[in-house]
Amino acid sequence: EPEVTQTPSHQVTQMGQEVILRCVPISNHLYFYWYRQILGQKVEFLVSFYNNEISEKSEIFDDQFSVERPDGSNFTLKIRSTKLEDSAMYFCASPGQGSGGEQFFGPGTRLTVL
Amino acid sequence: QKEVEQDPGPLSVPEGAIVSLNCTYSNSAFQYFMWYRQYSRKGPELLMYTYSSGNKEDGRFTAQVDKSSKYISLFIRDSQPSDSATYLCASCSGGYQKVTFGIGTKLQVIP
Repeated sequence: EPEVTQTPSHQVTQMGQEVILRCVPISNHLYFYWYRQILGQKVEFLVSFYNNEISEKSEIFDDQFSVERPDGSNFTLKIRSTKLEDSAMYFCASPGQGSGGEQFFGPGTRLTVL
Repeated sequence: QKEVEQDPGPLSVPEGAIVSLNCTYSNSAFQYFMWYRQYSRKGPELLMYTYSSGNKEDGRFTAQVDKSSKYISLFIRDSQPSDSATYLCASCSGGYQKVTFGIGTKLQVIP
């Protein structure tokens, strides 16, 4: 199975601070996704990114969130001013080599906002 | 209305049993159907992936999709304690589109 990697595995921050979550997706793919999962809840779509632009975002992905591709292989999710309710697991995902319906997820970053 | 619905369980079965996990969905545009396995505080791991209606088998796992009734199933034969995890069903409407997940069914296989 293709591998997606994420860092850090766990991030603890104070409310109001900025955090940056990092991901290395499956190489040579133009599509990229971020999801989050609040403890005990379902995995929710945040944003999709295609060829260095946002292609779709959910209502969760408000002005506090941004996504970037700082270099050719890394993607970041930035939360500008964290809130308590941002505490969740954050996953990045890449499509497979098939028709694009399947997505492979990274191990996640657990974000704890105090 | 929730787009993908699953019974959260938990579901407990003895080792060796056949497990049946089910989902329903409401969005007629869904074309791709996936099952993911998730361990506590880990990323979803893709188990099965199907396009449109039909069956797909991979080892001890069989996925079924019935688009006429909007019903998705996963069968696990000869269940093992290592199969204990949360199983998420998921769908999307097309290639490279966002994936919509169910809440997941927690499965425990008792030795």
